[in-house]
Amino acid sequence: AQSVSQHNHHVILSEAASLELGCNYSYGGTVNLFWYVQYPGQHLQLLLKYFSGDPLVKGIKGFEAEFIKSKFSFNLRKPSVQWSDTAEYFCAVNAGSGNTPLVFGKGTRLSVIA
Amino acid sequence: GAGVSQSPRYKVTKRGQDVALRCDPISGHVSLYWYRQALGQGPEFLTYFNYEAQQDKSGLPNDRFSAERPEGSISTLTIQRTEQRDSAMYRCASSLDRGLFFGPGTRLTVL
Repeated sequence: AQSVSQHNHHVILSEAASLELGCNYSYGGTVNLFWYVQYPGQHLQLLLKYFSGDPLVKGIKGFEAEFIKSKFSFNLRKPSVQWSDTAEYFCAVNAGSGNTPLVFGKGTRLSVIA
Repeated sequence: GAGVSQSPRYKVTKRGQDVALRCDPISGHVSLYWYRQALGQGPEFLTYFNYEAQQDKSGLPNDRFSAERPEGSISTLTIQRTEQRDSAMYRCASSLDRGLFFGPGTRLTVL
């Protein structure tokens, strides 16, 4: 069975600091990888996704993530965070064939302070 | 509609009552998923449909939980004889290919 680990439960950063949120998954086959974001009071939104090809994927709002197959990782990065990035971030994975349930990590809460 | 909609947005019920949660997916989306999210946790898979066929219900906690999607569009998640431990955010998502689009969720509180 697939599982996803997000190592950081709560991250606090100052504005303009760089961000990296860890995500590791366990699954032996081909995977699709996702990062979702939930801003306060809003619903889950897709931030970026990886299906195949270039392992460095760029998403909305300056976020990017790198798929490292040998490490079973898909870490989320942003060079310079803003106060508006305060949110909860979820990593998710499903089997490469698609249209199968996503398995989510427990999430990382990011607080950006001025 | 433009996105996934869910109703009601908030539901407070007494223990032992039945509740029905509704999901209206994005038009044309083949797959529909139900997730449950407890506070401080990630979404937990419950069940999903392709068109009207329930493909996987392995995530439903027990037989008090059921779901249907009779015409391949709107879906209803029903919880019978609710218990306090059923209190959570219930999220619906729809998909055309491999990415999921989530609705706003229904916050269920069982007193």
